[in-house]
Amino acid sequence: AQKITQTQPGMFVQEKEAVTLDCTYDTSDPSYGLFWYKQPSSGEMIFLIYQGSYDQQNATEGRYSLNFQKARKSANLVISASQLGDSAMYFCAMREGNRGGADGLTFGKGTHLIIQP
Amino acid sequence: DTEVTQTPKHLVMGMTNKKSLKCEQHMGHRAMYWYKQKAKKPPELMFVYSYEKLSINESVPSRFSPECPNSSLLNLHLHALQPEDSALYLCASSQDMGGGRNSEQFFGPGTRLTVL
Repeated sequence: AQKITQTQPGMFVQEKEAVTLDCTYDTSDPSYGLFWYKQPSSGEMIFLIYQGSYDQQNATEGRYSLNFQKARKSANLVISASQLGDSAMYFCAMREGNRGGADGLTFGKGTHLIIQP
Repeated sequence: DTEVTQTPKHLVMGMTNKKSLKCEQHMGHRAMYWYKQKAKKPPELMFVYSYEKLSINESVPSRFSPECPNSSLLNLHLHALQPEDSALYLCASSQDMGGGRNSEQFFGPGTRLTVL
């Protein structure tokens, strides 16, 4: 079963608008971390924001915020005031805390975001 | 220094060649990773090193051989690859393991590998 689900393969958004990228996850581990990464066409994975399963508040990093709804197992990324440079592939990822401490990230399939002028 | 470097950026090799990918970080991170990413797909974990010891091998074929000479360096030795191994190979490092704060992984720019 898929652990990370991103239901939007592609999105077109007008510049300066806010955009929400959806992510739902599945885990029985009470301790986990959720991450969002941006991957431009150059290929580098850029870390954007982190949300821990025990965090009481939604994470924010500049124009990025994470809408964390634990009961629904969703961790949507919100980008405020989108810019042309935000055009990229966006991946939601999870890391479970109790897998013996030796694991990597599980990624969703990604959302290709295109910002239009 | 807050970056992960990878060399080479591009590599073209034949199926009988032996080559190596190199990754380096100077952030004092205890864990390093190799991922493989095919076009239009998410990265897939290949290897995890924690404190210079291999802790996961995700059923990767033996034609891929990782090596961690020290806490800052990670190599991926390639031998007798197949055309389907052509992909972007990403290296990453993290301070901590698990899902807590400081477990975020920082990625290098990747090596684009083409196997002819």
